[in-house]
Amino acid sequence: EVQLVESGGGLVQPGGSLRLSCAASGFTLSSSWMHWVRQAPGKGLVWVSRINSDGGRTDYADSVKGRFTISRDNAKNTLYLQMNSLRAEDSAVYYCARNASGGSYYVHWGQGTLVTVSS
Amino acid sequence: DIVMTQSPDSLAVSLGERATINCKSSQSVLSSSNNKNLLVWYQQKPGHPPKLLIYWASTRESGVPDRFSGSGSGTDFTLTISSLQAEDVAVYYCQQHYGLPLTFGGGTKVEI
Repeated sequence: EVQLVESGGGLVQPGGSLRLSCAASGFTLSSSWMHWVRQAPGKGLVWVSRINSDGGRTDYADSVKGRFTISRDNAKNTLYLQMNSLRAEDSAVYYCARNASGGSYYVHWGQGTLVTVSS
Repeated sequence: DIVMTQSPDSLAVSLGERATINCKSSQSVLSSSNNKNLLVWYQQKPGHPPKLLIYWASTRESGVPDRFSGSGSGTDFTLTISSLQAEDVAVYYCQQHYGLPLTFGGGTKVEI
């Protein structure tokens, strides 16, 4: 069974940093593109970033470009999102999601980790 | 960016009745390489991640009840729940994966 388990969320002050992790099991992480998607409380879904299978290609939403870094450690079956210079508008539940075989959509999602940026 | 516009924002449907949700993209999401519409539908219940219902605009994901169907092509798409059940109360999102950034519709809340 495919499982994705996020961790690392919490309360952080504006301008601070957090690193989110997503532990994958039930499939070979190294064979999958992976994504981060976020959802502010009571709001819709917003794509954040993606990374290819070997980590050699990354893409970002304009709103996080230059502040967030996606990475992966296939040996540890773990995906990461390093978030720097955090703003109040980055407050959201962050989901990791596995790219489907048919394209950049998601069959498998984690349960999410909540990030709150507030002083 | 491809803007995805869903309508309505919310709708109330009686049990057993039909629910129809619309999604319009600001440009075509029909892929010329495989002639498929790169449009999916998700269902999200409170406190849970989204669940994939439909991919390629009209192909039902394994295990999804056949009362859910998707239609449309190019820029205009529809998700239909043919006979609403109590467990279908949720927010529904469309998403395009034709180009970056990947974008979602604003969501449609379906209530009884």
